[in-house]
Amino acid sequence: EVQLVESGGGLVQPGGSLRLSCAASGFTFTNYWMHWVRQAPGKGLMWVSHINTDGSNTNYADSVRGRFTISRDNTRNTLYLQMNSLRAEDTAVYYCSRSGGWVDFWGQGTLVTVSS
Amino acid sequence: DIVMTQSPDSLAVSLGERATINCKSSQSVLSSSNNKNYLTWYQHKPGQPPKLLIYWASTRESGVPDRFSGSGSGTDFTLTINSLQAEDVAVYYCQQYYSTPYTFGQGTKLEIK
Repeated sequence: EVQLVESGGGLVQPGGSLRLSCAASGFTFTNYWMHWVRQAPGKGLMWVSHINTDGSNTNYADSVRGRFTISRDNTRNTLYLQMNSLRAEDTAVYYCSRSGGWVDFWGQGTLVTVSS
Repeated sequence: DIVMTQSPDSLAVSLGERATINCKSSQSVLSSSNNKNYLTWYQHKPGQPPKLLIYWASTRESGVPDRFSGSGSGTDFTLTINSLQAEDVAVYYCQQYYSTPYTFGQGTKLEIK
């Protein structure tokens, strides 16, 4: 069974940092690009970042570029999102997802709240 | 960036009737190299992760009921839900995966009339 399990969310003050993790199982992790997508409260879905199969190619939404870093550990089947200089507008549920072209499976998400 | 615009923002349809959701991209998502449209449709229910319905604009994901269908090419796309069921109440999103950032439409909220 394919599973993506996010962790690491929580409450953080503006300007703070947080590292999200996504543990993958039930499929060959190294065959898939991986993505982070977020949904702010009451808003729609927003693509945040993706990474290719070996971690050599990454892309970011303009609103997070320079503050967020996506990475993966293929020996641990785990995806990460390091989030620095967090802002109130980064408050959202963050979903980890996989793609073999298009995104076909999503985790349950982890909530990040940026507030003082 | 490719801007995705869905219409309507919300829709109320009677059980057993047809729901139609439109999605327009600000530039073509049709690839000349493989003649495929890089567009997906997702269903998103509260408290759950999004679920893939359609990829390549018109290919139904395995396990998705055949009352869901996608059509369109280039910049104009449609998701059609025939014979609406109560469990179809959700927000529906289109997304282009033609170029980064992989933008979503703003979502269409589907309710029962």
